[in-house]
Amino acid sequence: EAQVTQNPRYLITVTGKKLTVTCSQNMNHEYMSWYRQDPGLGLRQIYYSMNVEVTDKGDVPEGYKVSRKEKRNFPLILESPSPNQTSLYFCASSLRQGAGSSPLHFGNGTRLTVT
Amino acid sequence: AQSVTQLGSHVSVSEGALVLLRCNYSSSVPPYLFWYVQYPNQGLQLLLKYTSAATLVKGINGFEAEFKKSETSFHLTKPSAHMSDAAEYFCAVSKGSGGYNKLIFGAGTRLAVHP
Repeated sequence: EAQVTQNPRYLITVTGKKLTVTCSQNMNHEYMSWYRQDPGLGLRQIYYSMNVEVTDKGDVPEGYKVSRKEKRNFPLILESPSPNQTSLYFCASSLRQGAGSSPLHFGNGTRLTVT
Repeated sequence: AQSVTQLGSHVSVSEGALVLLRCNYSSSVPPYLFWYVQYPNQGLQLLLKYTSAATLVKGINGFEAEFKKSETSFHLTKPSAHMSDAAEYFCAVSKGSGGYNKLIFGAGTRLAVHP
């Protein structure tokens, strides 16, 4: 089954404790992206990747890191989480760049709470 | 810069009634426009997309949207609501002229369907 898989689904952590949220897709997609969803704000892009070893900042990159060493994986790293990073996170992928022909496929989300 | 405004954070309709979810966009270039749906505890799924072909776009589950350039609108409609349509709906515009897949999302509209 074609899918984007995120882990974990739920995570509660404390301020300053490094964490990684994993994302993997099995569709051989070139493009991958991370979003955070907050009430009243919709989804905002954190980072994206056009292909292996090519990443760039989205609209809200502060406090996050990413890497793209393999085509299928795009982990999101919080080196020193803070309470304002409490949010619902989504990973998404599409076949290639170009919004017209490549709709985003989303994972089921990771709900992160930082205390 | 591209942006999306969804009018009404909550919409409530009776089962069988017309569903109308409003979306207005601003874009300096011909836009790619999307509607996504998010069911509880799930990621976003593509309902439909506009990519400068027909102005009336039909999507899944009986939904459709009409692109009106003069009104800068892309409202989502369904003639008869089902209980299963209860979800959150996001309108999105592509940032850039299709050269890369960065979506700007609206804040979302939560649709409630009551018997």
